[in-house]
Amino acid sequence: AQSVTQLGSHVSVSEGALVLLRCNYSSSVPPYLFWYVQYPNQGLQLLLKYTTGATLVKGINGFEAEFKKSETSFHLTKPSAHMSDAAEYFCAVSGETSYDKVIFGPGTSLSVIP
Amino acid sequence: DAEITQSPRHKITETGRQVTLACHQTWNHNNMFWYRQDLGHGLRLIHYSYGVQDTNKGEVSDGYSVSRSNTEDLPLTLESAASSQTSVYFCASSESGTGGYEQYFGPGTRLTVT
Repeated sequence: AQSVTQLGSHVSVSEGALVLLRCNYSSSVPPYLFWYVQYPNQGLQLLLKYTTGATLVKGINGFEAEFKKSETSFHLTKPSAHMSDAAEYFCAVSGETSYDKVIFGPGTSLSVIP
Repeated sequence: DAEITQSPRHKITETGRQVTLACHQTWNHNNMFWYRQDLGHGLRLIHYSYGVQDTNKGEVSDGYSVSRSNTEDLPLTLESAASSQTSVYFCASSESGTGGYEQYFGPGTRLTVT
């Protein structure tokens, strides 16, 4: 069975500092991996995804994530935090077909301190 | 532009009443999903559909039902609302086929059962 863990339910960073949100997954098949962002009172929207190919994936708003199979990780990073990055971030994993359900992690709330 | 909409955005109802939450997408996606989001539980899958006349139970389906009579709509019905169903509900849709497709989320419906 697939599962996702996100280390730290809440992360605070200073404006301009590195953002690092951790995600580890378990999957018995090669996974598809996603990061979604949720701003207050909104639905989730895709930041980036890994399907196949290059393990370093770039997304919107300067975020990127690296798929490390040996570590079963897909950590999200951004070199310099901006106030507008304050939001809830969800890591997710799915299987080989769209009939495999997407499993969401519990989420990490990011606060950016001015 | 294609979109996914939910209505109402806010709803207050009384215990025991039947409530229907609407979800409409113009992406022409075969797959549609209903989630609830509660503090400490992340996103939990209620029901999902892979096409017209197809519906399936998710991990927290008790007390909920859905029907899929066309591609665009997947209404969620609470048969007899309970206080435990106070939550924020999100509808999502995705393409079908091989995996790696992102889910597109609606803005959510905040339901309060008194």
